[in-house]
Amino acid sequence: GNSVTQMEGPVTLSEEAFLTINCTYTATGYPSLFWYVQYPGEGLQLLLKATKADDKGSNKGFEATYRKETTSFHLEKGSVQVSDSAVYFCALTINTNAGKSTFGDGTTLTVKP
Amino acid sequence: NAGVTQTPKFQVLKTGQSMTLQCAQDMNHEYMSWYRQDPGMGLRLIHYSVGAGITDQGEVPNGYNVSRSTTEDFPLRLLSAAPSQTSVYFCASSYFFGGNTGELFFGEGSRLTVL
Repeated sequence: GNSVTQMEGPVTLSEEAFLTINCTYTATGYPSLFWYVQYPGEGLQLLLKATKADDKGSNKGFEATYRKETTSFHLEKGSVQVSDSAVYFCALTINTNAGKSTFGDGTTLTVKP
Repeated sequence: NAGVTQTPKFQVLKTGQSMTLQCAQDMNHEYMSWYRQDPGMGLRLIHYSVGAGITDQGEVPNGYNVSRSTTEDFPLRLLSAAPSQTSVYFCASSYFFGGNTGELFFGEGSRLTVL
């Protein structure tokens, strides 16, 4: 089956620190990879995505590169802000079964001023 | 543009009661799905649909029922509520384009408590 493993949290950083949240996956088939973000009290929204190997997704200063050889999609940001405090979810969808997505457990990020 | 609309946002039930969570999307997406979110467990797929009239089970389907009579609507029915179904429920829609799967568009969530 398919699975997504995220680094365990919570993660607490000071403002302007460098962020990495690790994500690795196993998949039967060819996946598209996603990072979603959930701000307090809200639903999930797409942060970035990549649909094929070596693609880099980017948005709001966040980046992640689809690494097929290491089955990874690590999320990075060079300088976090207090407003980045949220829960981050890594997810995959197999292109031949687009109705189903598999999520990691989520990583809670708190950024302190 | 409303996107994905879920109702109700909050609901309290007693054990054994039934209810329906409503979900509607206005983006003409083929795919719709229901997830539940529990602390420390990420999102788990309950049921999903790849088009009107077609539904299938996800990871945790027991105790839930769905139907998809139109492209827009995908209600989730709790047949006989149990405390284990206390959770936050999210409806989502997505699309397929150019050989790739699009992202999920989520509703705001429905917080259900079963006493």
